Amino acid sequence: AQTVTQSQPEMSVQEAETVTLSCTYDTSESDYYLFWYKQPPSRQMILVIRQEAYKQQNATENRFSVNFQKAAKSFSLKISDSQLGDAAMYFCAYTTSGTYKYIFGTGTRLKVLA
Amino acid sequence: DVKVTQSSRYLVKRTGEKVFLECVQDMDHENMFWYRQDPGLGLRLIYFSYDVKMKEKGDIPEGYSVSREKKERFSLILESASTNQTSMYLCASSPLRTGGNSPLHFGNGTRLTVT
Repeated sequence: AQTVTQSQPEMSVQEAETVTLSCTYDTSESDYYLFWYKQPPSRQMILVIRQEAYKQQNATENRFSVNFQKAAKSFSLKISDSQLGDAAMYFCAYTTSGTYKYIFGTGTRLKVLA
Repeated sequence: DVKVTQSSRYLVKRTGEKVFLECVQDMDHENMFWYRQDPGLGLRLIYFSYDVKMKEKGDIPEGYSVSREKKERFSLILESASTNQTSMYLCASSPLRTGGNSPLHFGNGTRLTVT
């Protein structure tokens, strides 16, 4: 069965510093997609970044980038130049192209210290 | 931008009451979802609908039912609310039947307390 594991319940980072959130997953599929979603205190879940498994290049969106290690089944999120507005719950998620089902990790709460 | 609107931000109900959680999306998406979010458990899928009047059970459907009479609206029904259904409920939509190329768009959640 596919699983998604986020081993860090909570992380802290100083404003303007860089932080990496970890995510590992387990699957026997070859065609799948990985996501990071952000849930700020307003509770609206927002897509941060998406990675297609068949693409070797790591996805990047402004200050957000991923380190996708397919063989190790690892998908970490790096946030550079952290800002107060980055404080949120971050969820790692997985899906395959042949299903509607998403599997979510348990989340990592990121605190940004001024 | 896609807008997914959940009718209530906070809801307090009594044990045994019938509870309706409403969700409306404005982008003509085929798929709509109801998730339950609990600390330490992440998001768990309750029900999924891929078309009007069509539904599929998710991972935790017990104690819940759904209704999709119109494409834009997806309702979650707690037939007889119990205290273990106290939780955050998230509605989501997406434009395609299968995932990957169509990330989920979420509402801002309904925090339900059953006393």
